[in-house]
Amino acid sequence: DAGITQSPRHKVTETGTPVTLRCHQTENHRYMYWYRQDPGHGLRLIHYSYGVKDTDKGEVSDGYSVSRSKTEDFLLTLESATSSQTSVYFCASGSSSYEQYFGPGTRLTVT
Amino acid sequence: DQQVKQNSPSLSVQEGRISILNCDYTNSMFDYFLWYKKYPAEGPTFLISISSIKDKNEDGRFTVFLNKSAKHLSLHIVPSQPGDSAVYFCAASWSGGSNYKLTFGKGTLLTVNP
Repeated sequence: DAGITQSPRHKVTETGTPVTLRCHQTENHRYMYWYRQDPGHGLRLIHYSYGVKDTDKGEVSDGYSVSRSKTEDFLLTLESATSSQTSVYFCASGSSSYEQYFGPGTRLTVT
Repeated sequence: DQQVKQNSPSLSVQEGRISILNCDYTNSMFDYFLWYKKYPAEGPTFLISISSIKDKNEDGRFTVFLNKSAKHLSLHIVPSQPGDSAVYFCAASWSGGSNYKLTFGKGTLLTVNP
């Protein structure tokens, strides 16, 4: 398995507060992705990165921003959390292939 | 507009029998397809994939079939085991500069009964 970790694993926060989720991979993968999983929606891509400082939007990017200053780290920020952002967030990484390796997930609850 | 569809939210089979999970796609640009397996409280794990130049790929108990004309793929698990009980996601991508982005279906919960 690819070495990919996420922190925190669980977080409860209040509406309007900023939240940052961290993804760390030790495989030197070029590509990294953030997804959210919600009942009835499967996995939806939020943002992705194709290199250090190179990022782009996915299908559900509104309200989220990302940063990648090092190959191994990919941060997802909710500038002002809303209840609709309560979800399970997964990070994934991959080299130049279609197989992505997923982290264990972060369960975020916005109250 | 959902480009990858898994129309069966759940499937229940007996141990030892065949499990068939189905997936349809609408985007004709997709040319690579994957299946992921997910246990509760864990991240998805890659299971098997197929390129559009093939119509079948086999790996042990798992076989994926691709019917391009019907824009349909299926995952066969034979024989099914209780440890196969999980959510299975179908995913698709296209080689035209997509940065290997995947589009996922909503998933099918497979339950294998002993």
